[in-house]
Amino acid sequence: DIQMTQSPSSLSASVGDRVTITCRASQSITSYLNWYQQKPGQAPKLLIYAASSLQSGVPSRFSGSGSGTDFTLTISSLQAEDFATYYCQQSYSTPQTFGQGTNLEIK
Amino acid sequence: QVQLQQSGPGLVKPSQTLSLTCAISGDSVSSNSAAWNWIRQSPSRGLEWLGRTYYRSKWYYDYAVSVKSRITINPDTSKNQFSLQLNSVTPEDTAVYYCTRFSEVAANFDYWGQGTLVSVSS
Repeated sequence: DIQMTQSPSSLSASVGDRVTITCRASQSITSYLNWYQQKPGQAPKLLIYAASSLQSGVPSRFSGSGSGTDFTLTISSLQAEDFATYYCQQSYSTPQTFGQGTNLEIK
Repeated sequence: QVQLQQSGPGLVKPSQTLSLTCAISGDSVSSNSAAWNWIRQSPSRGLEWLGRTYYRSKWYYDYAVSVKSRITINPDTSKNQFSLQLNSVTPEDTAVYYCTRFSEVAANFDYWGQGTLVSVSS
């Protein structure tokens, strides 16, 4: 199975900050990398697919980059509604695996 | 707009069978461009893919190795839904269970059910 490792595991930031979350795959997954946002009591929500494509309806302050084994999710200017847990997920091979999550908290 | 509506009990006794159903609206369980998955989430295991079914001229099934001996995912074309059965459950199977659609075109889980917290306890 492909292991997905996110860093940091938790992050404190303020409204207006620029935030970057990193995801590393244990082997090359080309661009088969997705990012999800999860708020308490809700299902994960797709933000970014194919490493850098913005899902319809997702604000443009979210962006993704990377290929191969190293990927990043960037939030350009944090809004109050962005405080949540973020997960990366590879769809290169089955079983599809997720990172352990990054908990983004208000500073 | 695709919607997935989960149903099933929230409490299962150890050694018994966990059964959940996911009703699909806005798409077909027989779609040639989607796969229908079950994923669970627990503090100890995080987000864990359990298995999927999909139709490509015939039905296919894939299961996670960790549950392969205990899991069955079945499509029901008459009701446009799919189900999860997990046998011989233990407290380690306590988790929030999600049904999801995987888009083959975009290679992502684009629609999720609302989640069902299933507790395994006597």
